[in-house]
Amino acid sequence: DQQVKQNSPSLSVQEGRISILNCDYTNSMFDYFLWYKKYPAEGPTFLISISSIKDKNEDGRFTVFLNKSAKHLSLHIVPSQPGDSAVYFCAANPYDFGNEKLTFGTGTRLTIIP
Amino acid sequence: DSGVTQTPKHLITATGQRVTLRCSPRSGDLSVYWYQQSLDQGLQFLIQYYNGEERAKGNILERFSAQQFPDLHSELNLSSLELGDSALYFCASSQRDTVADTQYFGPGTRLTVL
Repeated sequence: DQQVKQNSPSLSVQEGRISILNCDYTNSMFDYFLWYKKYPAEGPTFLISISSIKDKNEDGRFTVFLNKSAKHLSLHIVPSQPGDSAVYFCAANPYDFGNEKLTFGTGTRLTIIP
Repeated sequence: DSGVTQTPKHLITATGQRVTLRCSPRSGDLSVYWYQQSLDQGLQFLIQYYNGEERAKGNILERFSAQQFPDLHSELNLSSLELGDSALYFCASSQRDTVADTQYFGPGTRLTVL
């Protein structure tokens, strides 16, 4: 049972435009969410996170939005740059002290078109 | 470079065999996490160690085991290998034992079981 879903395996966006990557989750115990970025032949790199007490977190060109009622989060990248081409994973963690473990989605491959 | 090293980078072996994957965490990090990424799948959490002790367990098969040594490096042992064990295995490290701490990933070990 996939508790964290990224329904778009791939996304192509023109350079300079906004990239929006989506993620849905089913477990209402999830209370901390993260986005990771992965280039080929490298491990994932942490990008941005959000706690369930917030609905938005911003870091430079990257903004994560959380809609708890819809169990949905999204990552906005604006403006998109060629170096943003990578696979993006969302991940979620439950509020379960002593048993914290990240659950990852299957990833969305973002391609920025120059 | 995340500061997390994994060896070997690639491993090709036959069914029924046993292999050991090694991970050295970032200097000062006490937690080590192991993940498996099969084809077109997200990262599946296997197991976490914190300062030498097992802290959290995911869907790790009984044929798999791990340990963290006093120098904090970790090894993941996979035995009685099956074709379905072919995957990328990532190690990550963080300072403490909470997922609120950023996890830094190594480049992964690609295991191919023939």
